[in-house]
Amino acid sequence: NAGVTQTPKFQVLKTGQSMTLQCAQDMNHEYMSWYRQDPGMGLRLIHYSVGAGITDQGEVPNGYNVSRSTTEDFPLRLLSAAPSQTSVYFCATGVVASLIETYEQYFGPGTRLTVT
Amino acid sequence: DQQVKQNSPSLSVQEGRISILNCDYTNSMFDYFLWYKKYPAEGPTFLISISSIKDKNEDGRFTVFLNKSAKHLSLHIVPSQPGDSAVYFCAARINNFGNEKLTFGTGTRLTIIP
Repeated sequence: NAGVTQTPKFQVLKTGQSMTLQCAQDMNHEYMSWYRQDPGMGLRLIHYSVGAGITDQGEVPNGYNVSRSTTEDFPLRLLSAAPSQTSVYFCATGVVASLIETYEQYFGPGTRLTVT
Repeated sequence: DQQVKQNSPSLSVQEGRISILNCDYTNSMFDYFLWYKKYPAEGPTFLISISSIKDKNEDGRFTVFLNKSAKHLSLHIVPSQPGDSAVYFCAARINNFGNEKLTFGTGTRLTIIP
């Protein structure tokens, strides 16, 4: 099993360009999410999904779009990149917590994005 | 408004000694707490967790303590090993019946000195 995969690993964009960060998982997890990690800020939730066709906003959703058409994939779209979106982006998956006692998330290796 | 705080950005500990990483939270609705470990250029990996109905959970060299009245949790690693050098994040969850979100602290970089 590959677990959680993210592509690309690195990306440089110019201000105003658009791109999609890909996230795929083979663990059949209902829950998928996107975080960004910035120095001194920890991990902040951008968007999340509790199943195909269902998405919701996290703590810092502005400037990002998501969709969830399949259980396996959860792409993150930047429609018009800004320097403030320079960050490391992590995708994470998990089992819907209300059904179980524990609540872990499994993280991908990250995408380092620089916007100039 | 940082609801989960890790006030020590870094910590250095001698190999073989105990490492204690601290985390404070402000929201009394958090019902589940987790610790993640992160190596450079990798995603965070789950380490240990504790439910708010417990005050201690142990897994090998790792023990998490929860003091609900003080809204404080700590991670103890004993004995510390060089491979424990990493950034440690604490995270907290509010049970929202399927719409759970994790709130993360800012992380503590632990360095184990051989």
